[in-house]
Amino acid sequence: QKEVEQNSGPLSVPEGAIASLNCTYSDRVSQSFFWYRQYSGKSPELIMSIYSNGDKEDGRFTAQLNKASQYVSLLIRDSQPSDSATYLCAVTSTYNFNKFYFGSGTKLNVKP
Amino acid sequence: DAGVTQSPTHLIKTRGQQVTLRCSPKSGHDTVSWYQQALGQGPQFIFQYYEEEERQRGNFPDRFSGHQFPNYSSELNVNALLLGDSALYLCASSSRGEGGYTFGSGTRLTVV
Repeated sequence: QKEVEQNSGPLSVPEGAIASLNCTYSDRVSQSFFWYRQYSGKSPELIMSIYSNGDKEDGRFTAQLNKASQYVSLLIRDSQPSDSATYLCAVTSTYNFNKFYFGSGTKLNVKP
Repeated sequence: DAGVTQSPTHLIKTRGQQVTLRCSPKSGHDTVSWYQQALGQGPQFIFQYYEEEERQRGNFPDRFSGHQFPNYSSELNVNALLLGDSALYLCASSSRGEGGYTFGSGTRLTVV
């Protein structure tokens, strides 16, 4: 069983819509959660981090964490074609802080 | 403030050869982690260096080795290259106690 699971997509949304990206993880002691955006051929770029249950908003991005369900999501409001990329979910645990487990990523296509 | 610097950006090697990849961490960061990202996959943890020692290691063979220097820069060495070693190699730096990696732009290794 993979530590971090994501739907590979592609997820297609029209410009201006809300894109919802989901991630589940298997290690119950996971403590820190991150979303990275990766454009084709480029390196991952940190978008959001979340550490406690609930929602965290940053501009058009909202991260949601539910530790009981071992689920973390990323919402992108008012999606733009420039948001088209692969979104990687990453998880660390208390015992292996600084060692990140990545999902395989969800490819998002925002259509003009 | 310089980010994470990796060199070279691209490399083509022949099976059986050896390769060395280099990384300079972001200013203020003391921990360097190396990841391998195959096409269409999420980054896979190779190992992490802190205080010039390998602190953690992922599920990679001994052909993969590394080093960290007193100035926190790091090298990744791969011996006896296989075709399956072709991937994007990412260096990520962080500061212990601070969440989130900063990734370098990566080295694209092609083994022919």
